[in-house]
Amino acid sequence: DGGITQSPKYLFRKEGQNVTLSCEQNLNHDAMYWYRQDPGQGLRLIYYSQIVNDFQKGDIAEGYSVSREKKESFPLTVTSAQKNPTAFYLCASSSDNLNTEAFFGQGTRLTVV
Amino acid sequence: GEDVEQSLFLSVREGDSSVINCTYTDSSSTYLYWYKQEPGAGLQLLTYIFSNMDMKQDQRLTVLLNKKDKHLSLRIADTQTGDSAIYFCAEIPIGGKLIFGQGTELSVKP
Repeated sequence: DGGITQSPKYLFRKEGQNVTLSCEQNLNHDAMYWYRQDPGQGLRLIYYSQIVNDFQKGDIAEGYSVSREKKESFPLTVTSAQKNPTAFYLCASSSDNLNTEAFFGQGTRLTVV
Repeated sequence: GEDVEQSLFLSVREGDSSVINCTYTDSSSTYLYWYKQEPGAGLQLLTYIFSNMDMKQDQRLTVLLNKKDKHLSLRIADTQTGDSAIYFCAEIPIGGKLIFGQGTELSVKP
């Protein structure tokens, strides 16, 4: 079945550590996105990529990094520079054709302990 | 700039109609979308409307688009407790960056 998969579903991190969230899609989509969701604040765009080996900062990129070495994969690293990383992270993908919907993964809940 | 805005909360009684409103600023989007998010889950596409349409009906869902006022609404008829969720409107303007509203939390009381 085609889809977009995030892993893990729950992640715990100690303060000062980097952690990487996985996002994989087999929909042959060109565009991929990372969002952060906090209660009452909706979805805030962290990074997005419209093509392999290229990505752009979103609205809240500080403290995060991404890579897009393969079309199928868009991992997000939450670095120790991110001051408040505890949140729900959502990955999405869409076709390069702007007339199509975006598909979402089930999310990763990151908690800093 | 690009912006999509929604009210944050809506509470209705079971069986009533719910209307969730959204305003957007970029008129270049070909489609406008409504997504539903249940607790602890990702977003699922609920419905969408082509930008040259005024209305789209899909079973209990009715989408109204006023392109002149850049206003989008989602009406849910006969709202059920299972409709309780957060609803997001979204657009993809020319340039390809997916933009969401803040989400409206719909609470359905029995």
